[in-house]
Amino acid sequence: AQTVTQSQPEMSVQEAETVTLSCTYDTSESDYYLFWYKQPPSRQMILVIRQEAYKQQNATENRFSVNFQKAAKSFSLKISDSQLGDAAMYFCAYKMANAGGTSYGKLTFGQGTILTVHP
Amino acid sequence: KAGVTQTPRYLIKTRGQQVTLSCSPISGHRSVSWYQQTPGQGLQFLFEYFSETQRNKGNFPGRFSGRQFSNSRSEMNVSTLELGDSALYLCASSPPGQGMYNEQFFGPGTRLTVL
Repeated sequence: AQTVTQSQPEMSVQEAETVTLSCTYDTSESDYYLFWYKQPPSRQMILVIRQEAYKQQNATENRFSVNFQKAAKSFSLKISDSQLGDAAMYFCAYKMANAGGTSYGKLTFGQGTILTVHP
Repeated sequence: KAGVTQTPRYLIKTRGQQVTLSCSPISGHRSVSWYQQTPGQGLQFLFEYFSETQRNKGNFPGRFSGRQFSNSRSEMNVSTLELGDSALYLCASSPPGQGMYNEQFFGPGTRLTVL
């Protein structure tokens, strides 16, 4: 079974600074997707960034970027120029590429990291 | 385009009762997944429906069931409620096609409290 581990229950950062959230995962699959989701206090889960396992290039979305190390099964999220609105719970998630059966619709989440942004 | 909607947003039940939660996906989305979120267990996958068929199921007891209608709206039902069923229940819908990274769009959730 696939597992996702976020070893940092809480992180904090000063506004305008950079912070990196860690995520490791375990899988025997070679084709899969990795995601970072943000869940603000309002509870609506929002996709921040995604990475396809077969792509070596790290994904980037504006101030958000990832460091994807497939051999090490590591997928960290870097937030640059942190803003007050970045404060939220961040979840790392794994999804097997669609191959039927147990891959359908199932995201496996880490335990989450609470990010606090100080003004 | 309207997002995923879930009703009701808050629900209080007592042990032994049953409850039905509803999820309306984004228009055009045919896949709906359900998750349970608790402080202790985190986010856990319940099941996924596509075109009225359950294609995948997580490790939850048979008290947890679901269905999907022809308009892709989905309901989940929990029978004989237990205190441990208190949680935020999230549903997510996905657009059709392999090329969309199977991205899931989440609803705001239903907060269920079992007394």
